[in-house]
Amino acid sequence: DVKVTQSSRYLVKRTGEKVFLECVQDMDHENMFWYRQDPGLGLRLIYFSYDVKMKEKGDIPEGYSVSREKKERFSLILESASTNQTSMYLCASSTGGALNTEAFFGQGTRLTVV
Amino acid sequence: DQQVKQNSPSLSVQEGRISILNCDYTNSMFDYFLWYKKYPAEGPTFLISISSIKDKNEDGRFTVFLNKSAKHLSLHIVPSQPGDSAVYFCAASALRSGYSTLTFGKGTMLLVSP
Repeated sequence: DVKVTQSSRYLVKRTGEKVFLECVQDMDHENMFWYRQDPGLGLRLIYFSYDVKMKEKGDIPEGYSVSREKKERFSLILESASTNQTSMYLCASSTGGALNTEAFFGQGTRLTVV
Repeated sequence: DQQVKQNSPSLSVQEGRISILNCDYTNSMFDYFLWYKKYPAEGPTFLISISSIKDKNEDGRFTVFLNKSAKHLSLHIVPSQPGDSAVYFCAASALRSGYSTLTFGKGTMLLVSP
């Protein structure tokens, strides 16, 4: 059974803190993604990675960075958390190649920045 | 500029009837379309997809129709069940930096009442 696991379901952090969101997949997928979901805005792509140590900016990368040191793990980093980064964060993975595009999602991390 | 549009934020249907969820897109480079279902506090799960070279795909109670000339797709659920109550996201795939990424609509909340 395919699995994408996010390390925390709920997080509360203070403004200015450095925040790490961790995601691990056990499907040997090449591609991994970070999205945020906000009411009325749907899912928006923050960053994605198609290989170890490779990363590409998505639609809303400002205020975020990522790290992919191992194939199975993709971390999202909020360098200095702000209240407008309060959101649901969703990690996903998919196999490589242009034709197979179904992404598998983790359960999400609800981050609140106070 | 939103490339994938779900213009109905919500839809209410009675159990046993047909649910029709609509999605429009603007980018003619999209080559694959997917529908995801999301329950509160969970990650999205894949429901059904369709390639841009087809106009219909069916899987049990779920059918997706694609009208390329109109840049429109729809998801039909027949018969609708209370367990179908969830947020449905339309997603479209295109190449970004040579790799497939998904662009999501804002979602439609479906409520199926007994």
